[in-house]
Amino acid sequence: GENVEQHPSTLSVQEGDSAVIKCTYSDSASNYFPWYKQELGKRPQLIIDIRSNVGEKKDQRIAVTLNKTAKHFSLHITETQPEDSAVYFCAPYSGGGADGLTFGKGTHLIIQP
Amino acid sequence: DTAVSQTPKYLVTQMGNDKSIKCEQNLGHDTMYWYKQDSKKFLKIMFSYNNKELIINETVPNRFSPKSPDKAHLNLHINSLELGDSAVYFCASSRGGGGAGIQYFGAGTRLSVL
Repeated sequence: GENVEQHPSTLSVQEGDSAVIKCTYSDSASNYFPWYKQELGKRPQLIIDIRSNVGEKKDQRIAVTLNKTAKHFSLHITETQPEDSAVYFCAPYSGGGADGLTFGKGTHLIIQP
Repeated sequence: DTAVSQTPKYLVTQMGNDKSIKCEQNLGHDTMYWYKQDSKKFLKIMFSYNNKELIINETVPNRFSPKSPDKAHLNLHINSLELGDSAVYFCASSRGGGGAGIQYFGAGTRLSVL
């Protein structure tokens, strides 16, 4: 099975600064790399994903970069805002068929005003 | 309309009881899941199911069983509840398997076992 490590577990940044969260995985067959955001008391929601044939993807203030050789991918958030405060989960996927996601342990991002 | 809905939102019960959580999706997805989120926010897959197969995470006790009356529903039955079952349970669905793309989550059911 996939071993997933996510760092840091807690990240506190000043509003307007950038935040980077890193996810390392063990299975070299992983081919799909999503990031989910979970606000306090809410459901997890996909915010960005990338497939193994792409090195980087950007959507406004958020981006994901993938290093398949080193087996890690990162979430980048620029110009952070209070609504970015949440827990972020990576979930690298390597299986086939009807199986679920193996989530990292989450990163609690705190945006300081 | 809510894409993935689960009921109840809160469930408080005594140890040893049997309980069920219902999940319905109106997205036309063919794969549904149950996840458990513990007090440390760790989110763990329990089951995935499409019309062809049920995949069970080997760490899930056999007191937990998913039941799917049709493609739009995947209910979770729990027998002989234990204190350690207290958690938030999320239902989710996707078009295709786990790597096929977006998984849509329900709002969660907070289970408290006393």
